[in-house]
Amino acid sequence: KQEVTQIPAALSVPEGENLVLNCSFTDSAIYNLQWFRQDPGKGLTSLLLIQSSQREQTSGRLNASLDKSSGRSTLYIAASQPGDSATYLCAVSNTGTASKLTFGTGTRLQVTL
Amino acid sequence: NAGVTQTPKFRVLKTGQSMTLLCAQDMNHEYMYWYRQDPGMGLRLIHYSVGEGTTAKGEVPDGYNVSRLKKQNFLLGLESAAPSQTSVYFCASTRQPQETQYFGPGTRLLVL
Repeated sequence: KQEVTQIPAALSVPEGENLVLNCSFTDSAIYNLQWFRQDPGKGLTSLLLIQSSQREQTSGRLNASLDKSSGRSTLYIAASQPGDSATYLCAVSNTGTASKLTFGTGTRLQVTL
Repeated sequence: NAGVTQTPKFRVLKTGQSMTLLCAQDMNHEYMYWYRQDPGMGLRLIHYSVGEGTTAKGEVPDGYNVSRLKKQNFLLGLESAAPSQTSVYFCASTRQPQETQYFGPGTRLLVL
């Protein structure tokens, strides 16, 4: 059974700092890995999707990497802003599973002024 | 495009009552999913569908039923609500397994 772990559970950083969020998974037979953002009381917004054959994806100040063999992914956020404050969720889709996602419990990020 | 919409946004039920949550998507997606989100446990898959007329069980299906009579709609039913079903329910859809999933805004359900 796939298990996804995110560390740390919560993080507070001053504005402008670069930061890294970590995600690990136990079963390397994945289709893809996705990073989502969730604001309080809201739904999930997809940030980046990395296919199993890819090593990284970039979107603006965000960069996600994937090391499938070691079961790890990182989300790098450059020059953090208060608007980045949210919970970040990592989810993996295993092969042959109709794209069912297994989620981590998230990292709650607060960027302070 | 409205994307993925969910009805209702919030509901309070008494133990033993029944209700249906509606998910609708206007992106012509084949795959649709129902998840529940509980504090400290992340999102867990309840049921899913790989196309019109199909449904399958996810990780936590007990106490729920689903139907996909139309491609754009995926209904989640609670026949006899229990306090353990107090949660936030999210619907999601995707066109193909290798593409991203799009989530609705969620339904907050409180069972007393």
